[in-house]
Amino acid sequence: DSGVTQTPKHLITATGQRVTLRCSPRSGDLSVYWYQQSLDQGLQFLIQYYNGEERAKGNILERFSAQQFPDLHSELNLSSLELGDSALYFCASSVALGQETQYFGPGTRLLVL
Amino acid sequence: AQSVTQLGSHVSVSEGALVLLRCNYSSSVPPYLFWYVQYPNQGLQLLLKYTTGATLVKGINGFEAEFKKSETSFHLTKPSAHMSDAAEYFCAVAEAAGNKLTFGGGTRVLVKP
Repeated sequence: DSGVTQTPKHLITATGQRVTLRCSPRSGDLSVYWYQQSLDQGLQFLIQYYNGEERAKGNILERFSAQQFPDLHSELNLSSLELGDSALYFCASSVALGQETQYFGPGTRLLVL
Repeated sequence: AQSVTQLGSHVSVSEGALVLLRCNYSSSVPPYLFWYVQYPNQGLQLLLKYTTGATLVKGINGFEAEFKKSETSFHLTKPSAHMSDAAEYFCAVAEAAGNKLTFGGGTRVLVKP
């Protein structure tokens, strides 16, 4: 158990809908990362937050957004969902910017029908 | 831009045999290198990492990896495979501590009795 929690574990929804994925980092970790794992794209970095501020952006679609709240939990919002958004979404956390190790949560499996 | 190449998307080994998973990377700066393991329906677990110093790094579950700068490689080995090693293994690189991880395509390991 990495100490990173993600909810829900599974999510099934329809095209065009909007969903919110939630991540609670390990206690004391200030940095949160979101990754997407799909069969065709593999594991890709989406976005990083550090202490409430966006720090880095990767291959994140404009239909996707994220935020980190004062209690350091983070949410990834996916809107206007398409079939191709079906994937496993991971959250990872690390203590601080100078800490290289990222600890991954169990993921949220999203299925868009 | 960084990239990671894992040779072989699938590897089959006999129980007790050597496990060798290959990883080559490209990076414009001295990299931080990682190996993660993903068991079915689980998140990513850190096996080992290289940041600086000794180029041969030991990780959990008997795995080790050697950083070879001249070959831009970070191959993962385990002398004797166990059935519990059946999983998918990902090599990843970061340009600096706290930066995003760029992953290879993964190698699925099957262990035969």
